[in-house]
Amino acid sequence: AQSVTQPDIHITVSEGASLELRCNYSYGATPYLFWYVQSPGQGLQLLLKYFSGDTLVQGIKGFEAEFKRSQSSFNLRKPSVHWSDAAEYFCAVGASTGGFKTIFGAGTRLFVKA
Amino acid sequence: KAGVTQTPRYLIKTRGQQVTLSCSPISGHRSVSWYQQTPGQGLQFLFEYFSETQRNKGNFPGRFSGRQFSNSRSEMNVSTLELGDSALYLCASRNDHGRREKLFFGSGTQLSVL
Repeated sequence: AQSVTQPDIHITVSEGASLELRCNYSYGATPYLFWYVQSPGQGLQLLLKYFSGDTLVQGIKGFEAEFKRSQSSFNLRKPSVHWSDAAEYFCAVGASTGGFKTIFGAGTRLFVKA
Repeated sequence: KAGVTQTPRYLIKTRGQQVTLSCSPISGHRSVSWYQQTPGQGLQFLFEYFSETQRNKGNFPGRFSGRQFSNSRSEMNVSTLELGDSALYLCASRNDHGRREKLFFGSGTQLSVL
């Protein structure tokens, strides 16, 4: 069955420090992978997506993610975190079993300390 | 373009009642998906409509239903509300219903069942 696992429920980093959020997926075919961000009281916004080609993809707000097929991972990174990055981050996979749908992980909440 | 609009923003109901939530997608988008978001569970897929037809359905009881109108606006209905139905209900639209299409989310309807 298709699934997305985000092992970290929450992470705290200092402003200016680097960030890596982990994501592992389970999907039999070629995965279409996404990272979304949700600010408090808001809906989700797409940060970046991977369909094919270069395994390192760039997104908005200085985020990037690397697709590693051998590890079934799609980790999100940012070199230097800003206080405004505090939010909840969701990894997702586009699936086509029983119709097309997007399956989300449980999310990782990021706290940024000054 | 206006974004995805969900109404109402907040809703308080009591057990046993029924509720209807509304979603207006981005102009031109024909696909509307509904998700339930609860702390620790992430986003759980409810269903997706495309051109007035339900294309996909998640693992929710029959108390959860939806429909889509000819102008692509969608409604979701929950009958015989239970305490566990308290959640943020998110609507998302996209131009097509393929698995590589990104989702545009509304801000959600926060439902509290007392």
